[in-house]
Amino acid sequence: DAGITQSPRHKVTETGTPVTLRCHQTENHRYMYWYRQDPGHGLRLIHYSYGVKDTDKGEVSDGYSVSRSKTEDFLLTLESATSSQTSVYFCAISSGTSVSNIQYFGAGTRLSVL
Amino acid sequence: TQLLEQSPQFLSIQEGENLTVYCNSSSVFSSLQWYRQEPGEGPVLLVTVVTGGEVKKLKRLTFQFGDARKDSSLHITAAQPGDTGLYLCAGYTQQAGTALIFGKGTTLSVSS
Repeated sequence: DAGITQSPRHKVTETGTPVTLRCHQTENHRYMYWYRQDPGHGLRLIHYSYGVKDTDKGEVSDGYSVSRSKTEDFLLTLESATSSQTSVYFCAISSGTSVSNIQYFGAGTRLSVL
Repeated sequence: TQLLEQSPQFLSIQEGENLTVYCNSSSVFSSLQWYRQEPGEGPVLLVTVVTGGEVKKLKRLTFQFGDARKDSSLHITAAQPGDTGLYLCAGYTQQAGTALIFGKGTTLSVSS
């Protein structure tokens, strides 16, 4: 199994509070991704990183920011959480972007914003 | 706009039955991947298809990539309760670059 750890695994928070989710990898992979998974929508890309301090927006980036100060850590921050951000968040890593590269996923963080 | 359309969305069958899940698009994909996800876990890659017309087999699972690289199918023969889960297709397009585009998934339930 790919060494990906997401923390926390579950979180309940209130509207308007800041929330940071952490993804830690032990594989030294260059690419890291944050997705959210919602019923009826599948997995949607929020942000991704292609190296330390190199990040880019995905399909649903509004209301989210990311940071990657070390190869192994990719943080997702909700500056002011809203109920629409209640979701399951998955981190993924990949060694490259060729058509045959595999993305390995973490176990997910279930976030509830009340 | 959903680039990858999966069907059916839900499938409930008896053990021993065969089934096919479809993944369709109007766009050309450089490759298509199929993932399986169990409750409380992240998706896990089953297979990648790259060449148009390619067929890959994984035990009772057969994956096919359309000749035009716009569609793919997953066929399960003699389904077992252990096949229960969410099946997701995902692909890379030249436009999306490094991002994988996912379908909405097919939830399969196999009862004994």
